[in-house]
Amino acid sequence: DAGVIQSPRHEVTEMGQEVTLRCKPISGHDYLFWYRQTMMRGLELLIYFNNNVPIDDSGMPEDRFSAKMPNASFSTLKIQPSEPRDSAVYFCASSNRDSYNSPLHFGNGTRLTVT
Amino acid sequence: GDSVTQMEGPVTLSEEAFLTINCTYTATGYPSLFWYVQYPGEGLQLLLKATKADDKGSNKGFEATYRKETTSFHLEKGSVQVSDSAVYFCALRNSGGSNYKLTFGKGTLLTVNP
Repeated sequence: DAGVIQSPRHEVTEMGQEVTLRCKPISGHDYLFWYRQTMMRGLELLIYFNNNVPIDDSGMPEDRFSAKMPNASFSTLKIQPSEPRDSAVYFCASSNRDSYNSPLHFGNGTRLTVT
Repeated sequence: GDSVTQMEGPVTLSEEAFLTINCTYTATGYPSLFWYVQYPGEGLQLLLKATKADDKGSNKGFEATYRKETTSFHLEKGSVQVSDSAVYFCALRNSGGSNYKLTFGKGTLLTVNP
C-alpha cells in the first residue's frame, strides 16, 4: 500500500496568490481529514469527510479556505487569497470506516510558506 | 468537549535513560487512546493504541496503559535510543455519535543525546 500521498511537499507563494494542496487517501478508507500544524497552535483539525461528504468544517479558519473531495481517491484544500499567517504544515490523513478505534494514516505533509 | 493534555517539553535525555511522557484526557463516553510519533520532516505515525480501560498498548519498546480511573495514558520506555528523538503526540478518538475525529495533545519534543 502506497500510503496517503500529498503534493506538493513544499510550496512557496506570495501573499494574495491562490494555493491548492492535494491529497490521495489510502484506497478503501472512507474518512479523510485535513490538519494544520504550527508551532503556536499545534495540530488543528480543519475539516473531515466521510464518503466524500464534508462532515465537520468547523475548524476551517475563514472563507479563504475551502476543501473538496470530488471522489474517493482525491481531495483538495484551497486557500484564496493566501496570507503570511497561513504558513504552516498541512497534513492529510485517512482512516477506515466504522472503526473509531482505527488509527489515522497521515501523509508526509505540505509545508506552505506565504511571503 | 474532548481534550488531551500532555506534558510540555522539550524533554532531553541521555541514551539508555528511562522515559515517561504524561498524558491525561477529558472525554465523554469511552474513547480510544493513541500515541503518535513524528520524526523530523515526516508525517505522524501511529506508535501504539489502546481501545478500552486497562488495555496496554506497546510497540518498539514503548508502552502505555489506558487508566480510566485517572483518565491517563502515559507513555514509557525503559531505555531510550538516539533514534527515538522525535515529537510525541497523545490523542483520543471518541465514538460518540458521528464524531470520529482525532483530538491531539500539543506534542512533546524528545531529544536523546548519545
